[in-house]
Amino acid sequence: DTAVSQTPKYLVTQMGNDKSIKCEQNLGHDTMYWYKQDSKKFLKIMFSYNNKELIINETVPNRFSPKSPDKAHLNLHINSLELGDSAVYFCASSQRFDDGELFFGEGSRLTVL
Amino acid sequence: KQEVTQIPAALSVPEGENLVLNCSFTDSAIYNLQWFRQDPGKGLTSLLLIQSSQREQTSGRLNASLDKSSGRSTLYIAASQPGDSATYLCARGNNNDMRFGAGTRLTVKP
Repeated sequence: DTAVSQTPKYLVTQMGNDKSIKCEQNLGHDTMYWYKQDSKKFLKIMFSYNNKELIINETVPNRFSPKSPDKAHLNLHINSLELGDSAVYFCASSQRFDDGELFFGEGSRLTVL
Repeated sequence: KQEVTQIPAALSVPEGENLVLNCSFTDSAIYNLQWFRQDPGKGLTSLLLIQSSQREQTSGRLNASLDKSSGRSTLYIAASQPGDSATYLCARGNNNDMRFGAGTRLTVKP
């Protein structure tokens, strides 16, 4: 049973396309996150949702739009993809929004050609 | 500005050695400090979580300490094994916001 699952695991697409990455957690957690890991392996938070409400929105281009239909899902939509969007995107969840332990998905590797 | 720094960036040791990985952070008002392991092409696996009120946590051969006043945490790995080879990341948590270091890439040679 996968606690935090992301799909797709790999995504190769052309510049200018729109794509989505889905994330689901079956841990009953209240808070979900999207992180971006760049080529230098540096992880940076992009968004955080608590009970479907946006809590953190870092300086991310508005081409990136998270959507949380319910507490167990946080999807990431990316419009007009650019070369610099190529990275591994990780979804994570925690039980509480203030001091919970983070549980990560396996990551989605996005390659923009 | 690098909020979380990990030293060294890479470390190679022979099997059986004890080793220490270092993590420093600039914001002392933290909620928790978490250590993760990342294998190549994989997601992050939580190893240890230290709440701000705690000084250390232990799990098997791993021991993590937290010193908020100096803004430092260490991960101690005893009797290292080749299976410990991975990248180890620390992250400081502050009110729904986890900030990660760049990681230490550990190689344990048989």
